[in-house]
Amino acid sequence: AQTVTQSQPEMSVQEAETVTLSCTYDTSESDYYLFWYKQPPSRQMILVIRQEAYKQQNATENRFSVNFQKAAKSFSLKISDSQLGDAAMYFCAYRSYNTDKLIFGTGTRLQVFP
Amino acid sequence: DGGITQSPKYLFRKEGQNVTLSCEQNLNHDAMYWYRQDPGQGLRLIYYSQIVNDFQKGDIAEGYSVSREKKESFPLTVTSAQKNPTAFYLCASSIAGTGSFTDEKLFFGSGTQLSVL
Repeated sequence: AQTVTQSQPEMSVQEAETVTLSCTYDTSESDYYLFWYKQPPSRQMILVIRQEAYKQQNATENRFSVNFQKAAKSFSLKISDSQLGDAAMYFCAYRSYNTDKLIFGTGTRLQVFP
Repeated sequence: DGGITQSPKYLFRKEGQNVTLSCEQNLNHDAMYWYRQDPGQGLRLIYYSQIVNDFQKGDIAEGYSVSREKKESFPLTVTSAQKNPTAFYLCASSIAGTGSFTDEKLFFGSGTQLSVL
């Protein structure tokens, strides 16, 4: 069975600085998707960034980028120029290509200090 | 506007009572999901469905039941067998990506907070 592990329950960063959130996963599949979702206090889930496993190039969305290491089964999220609005829970997620099953990690709470 | 609607926003359950959480989507998505989120914790998969009249158990299906009679609807029933039902429940949907790299982005509803009286 696939698993997703986020080993950092909490992280903090100063405004305008850069922070990296870690995620590792375990799977025997070769094709899959990986996601980072943001959950602000409103509890609405917001997609931050996605990565297809067959793509070697790391995904980038404005200030958000990932470091995807397929062999190491690692998928970290880098937030550059952190803003107060980035404060939220961040969840790493894995989606199976074959079954559509989507599995989430336990989340990392990010605090942003002015 | 297309999206996912969950209702009610807040729900209270009495001891021994079954309650049903509604999830409707007008995105024409094939796949739908139910997740449970406990305070300060991640999302755990309860059930998911890739197609009408078919669904699979997730990691914590015990004490829950679902149906998928229509493409746009995926209601979740929390039965009296679920002894600790207090949690935030999220419904999601996506285009079924099985066998193809289509737009697999997941859309989420705004959630239902279930509490026990």
